Formats: sequence, C-alpha cells, structure tokens
Amino acid sequence: GAVVSQHPSWVICKSGTSVKIECRSLDFQATTMFWYRQFPKQSLMLMATSNEGSKATYEQGVEKDKFLINHASLTLSTLTVTSAHPEDSSFYICSANPVIGDQPYNEQFFGPGTRLTVL
Amino acid sequence: DAKTTQPNSMESNEEEPVHLPCNHSTISGTDYIHWYRQLPSQGPEYVIHGLTSNVNNRMASLAIAEDRKSSTLILHRATLRDAAVYYCILALNSGNTPLVFGKGTRLSVIA
Repeated sequence: GAVVSQHPSWVICKSGTSVKIECRSLDFQATTMFWYRQFPKQSLMLMATSNEGSKATYEQGVEKDKFLINHASLTLSTLTVTSAHPEDSSFYICSANPVIGDQPYNEQFFGPGTRLTVL
Repeated sequence: DAKTTQPNSMESNEEEPVHLPCNHSTISGTDYIHWYRQLPSQGPEYVIHGLTSNVNNRMASLAIAEDRKSSTLILHRATLRDAAVYYCILALNSGNTPLVFGKGTRLSVIA
C-alpha cells in the first residue's frame, strides 16, 4: 500500500524556536496533503489543506503566520511551527491522497505523526 | 459535514467477533461511510468504506442499514493488535476531502 512518512518522529524544542516537520509520500504523488493536530485524549483536528504549487487553505482558528505550510513538490509538504510555545505541544499528523489518472483515490494515507514538545 | 455518533468505548475478548456501531441519521445521498482506526501513538489507517451495499475486505466487514442511517463495522476475530480508536466518518470521497474526525470508539481487546 501507499506509504507516507514524517520527519522527525518526535522533537523537543525551547519556547520561541521554530520547528519544521516534513511529510513525504514515498511511492506516489499527491497533489493534496492535509495537516492535522491531536492533543492528548482528543481526536484529530484538521489544521490545513496543502495544495501543490499553491497556498494552503487553513481552518478557522489556525494562524497561517504561525503554522507555515509549503507544498513545493508532489511528494513533499512541510509544516513549520514558528516561535513555538508550550501550548503548541501536540501530535502533528499529515495525510496524503494518491491520484490515479485524473481521479483521486478514495482513501487517505496517514503519516505516523510527529510529537512536538515545547519546553 | 454530516455528524456520526459512536459509543465512547467497547470491550471484546480476543478471537471473538466485534460489532462497532455508528449512527449517521443525517447522511446525504452522496456521502460515503468510511472507517479509519488509530492505534496508540500512530497516525490513523484506513479500514473500509462503503456507500450502500455491505462491503468486505481483509481487515473487516461493513454492514450498512437499508436506510443508510446507521452502519456497523465488524471485526470477525478480534486480536490484541486490533485495540485502537475506531472512527466512523462521512465524506463524499475520503481521498481529496479533508476528514472530520469525531471522538470515535476506543476498542479494548482482552486476552
């Protein structure tokens, strides 16, 4: 099956620093990738939709200047948490959707997640 | 997005069948019923999806009510590795549509 990887799998940083998380589709191309955030004991919450070659679409309440998303190629999207603070500590998960021909595949493939801890 | 309702938690004995229910009374005619599961400290993984007819795959079966207002995910023989949170999600096409996750059902499997 299709594989999505994330790097790093976990990161600990000091408050005020920026952290970049990579999401890669390893064996397929993805014009669309999604970023989710999951706090402990809670469900996944969509943060933004990342489209290759265009600006990301952010969900209401998600600061686009704080969570920078770049989808520069069909296999890579990055999420940068700028000036991270302890309240940004969370489990960040990306997902990607293969395109077969000109039709999206009816399944999303999720990365393993990145656990961010901001001290 | 149409809402789904699932029990918060369920428990099963190992190697017994498990039926995970989902209510979606406001489902629209074009909504697919998708099931994903999330094992501890991992990203979600696809389980199965269907529109009207019951579906089977190597992981599970999906039974869809005739009026489509409810569905049941069936794990035929639960194993310890099936312990996870199971999410029932309605979407036009889960591929290029962002998924709206509810609280899901936390399944515990007892050896």
